[in-house]
Amino acid sequence: QMQLVQSGAEVKKSGSSVRVSCKASGGTLSTNEINWVRQAPGQGLEWMGGINPILGTANYPPKFQDRVTIFADESTSTAYMILNSLTSKDTAMYYCAARIAASGYNWLDPWGQGTQVTVSS
Amino acid sequence: QSALTQPASVSGSPGQSITISCTGTGTDGDINFYHYVSWYQQYPGKAPRLLIFDVSNRPSGIFHRFSGSKSGNTASLTISGLQAEDEADYYCASYTSNSNFVFGGGTRLTVL
Repeated sequence: QMQLVQSGAEVKKSGSSVRVSCKASGGTLSTNEINWVRQAPGQGLEWMGGINPILGTANYPPKFQDRVTIFADESTSTAYMILNSLTSKDTAMYYCAARIAASGYNWLDPWGQGTQVTVSS
Repeated sequence: QSALTQPASVSGSPGQSITISCTGTGTDGDINFYHYVSWYQQYPGKAPRLLIFDVSNRPSGIFHRFSGSKSGNTASLTISGLQAEDEADYYCASYTSNSNFVFGGGTRLTVL
């Protein structure tokens, strides 16, 4: 079964950018859409977007449309999420999660272990 | 974009059954809410894990004590025979017609 392993914790300054990686093992990105979900301290889950490997296109909700870039490198089975213009409100745990990129698969499984991003002023 | 509303908290005693609701307030574009609901369990400090997909289906390895259902625009997660290890946060999610995921606000389950 595919597993997703994320990069380590990050501490960033306000106004900077962060890049988080998500490497797939035991499976292939070519058939899995990688999504990114974040969780601020004490808060719920928030979907940030996902990339469809078949179409090669990413899909973002309006809230993150201008600040997030999601892309994938199939040669290394790794997906990336870049978040720009960081503020303290972006301090959160960031998760990647897979959706089988085919019609009828409408859930997220598996999930990565999470990457803590802390933004300081 | 739809919103999914869950109760902030529920509680129950060991052996009892509890139900967590997830109500959609979608627009025409979110009609898929009615079919594509999934549920996730999250322990403190851990990543979420899939409990239920497509309203009522359990992935392999998930106990039969966990079940999902839907009535109108409300999906529900029922946990039967409550155990101490079920104490966690639970989230519903919908995959919309715009290929977006929307999550509910989450429900904290306390086992008394």
